[in-house]
Amino acid sequence: AQTVTQSQPEMSVQEAETVTLSCTYDTSESDYYLFWYKQPPSRQMILVIRQEAYKQQNATENRFSVNFQKAAKSFSLKISDSQLGDAAMYFCAYRRDYGGATNKLIFGTGTLLAVQP
Amino acid sequence: NAGVTQTPKFQVLKTGQSMTLQCAQDMNHEYMSWYRQDPGMGLRLIHYSVGAGITDQGEVPNGYNVSRSTTEDFPLRLLSAAPSQTSVYFCASSRLAGRSNTGELFFGEGSRLTVL
Repeated sequence: AQTVTQSQPEMSVQEAETVTLSCTYDTSESDYYLFWYKQPPSRQMILVIRQEAYKQQNATENRFSVNFQKAAKSFSLKISDSQLGDAAMYFCAYRRDYGGATNKLIFGTGTLLAVQP
Repeated sequence: NAGVTQTPKFQVLKTGQSMTLQCAQDMNHEYMSWYRQDPGMGLRLIHYSVGAGITDQGEVPNGYNVSRSTTEDFPLRLLSAAPSQTSVYFCASSRLAGRSNTGELFFGEGSRLTVL
């Protein structure tokens, strides 16, 4: 069974600095998707970034980028120029590429990010 | 843009009571699912559906019941609530993943349930 591990329950970063959140996963599949979701205090789940396993290039969305190491099964999230609004719980998630069967996401336990002014 | 709508947002139940969490989406998504979120455990899949009339169990289905009579609605039923079911519940929907889309999940705002 696939598993997702986030080993950092809490992280802290100074405003305008850079922080990296770690995520590792275990799978025997070769085709899959990886996601980072943000959950602010409002509880809403917001998709931050997505990575397709078949793509070697790391995904980037504005200040958010990932370091995807397929062989090491590692998928870290880097937040540059941190802002107060980045304070949230961040979840790493995995989905097997069934090619149309189901869309089940497997989540990690989350990393609570605090941003210090 | 309604997206995924969950009701109620908050609910307090007594042990043994039953209730239904409602979920509706207006995006014509085939796939719908229910997760529960507990501290230190992330989100865990309860039940899911790939279309009207089709449901299946996720990781933690015990104590919960679902049905999918329409594409839009996917209610989650607690038949006899227990304190262990105190949690935040999320409904999520998406198009089925395929060649032309990645099956991105869209989440509702969550429902906080407390069972005394």
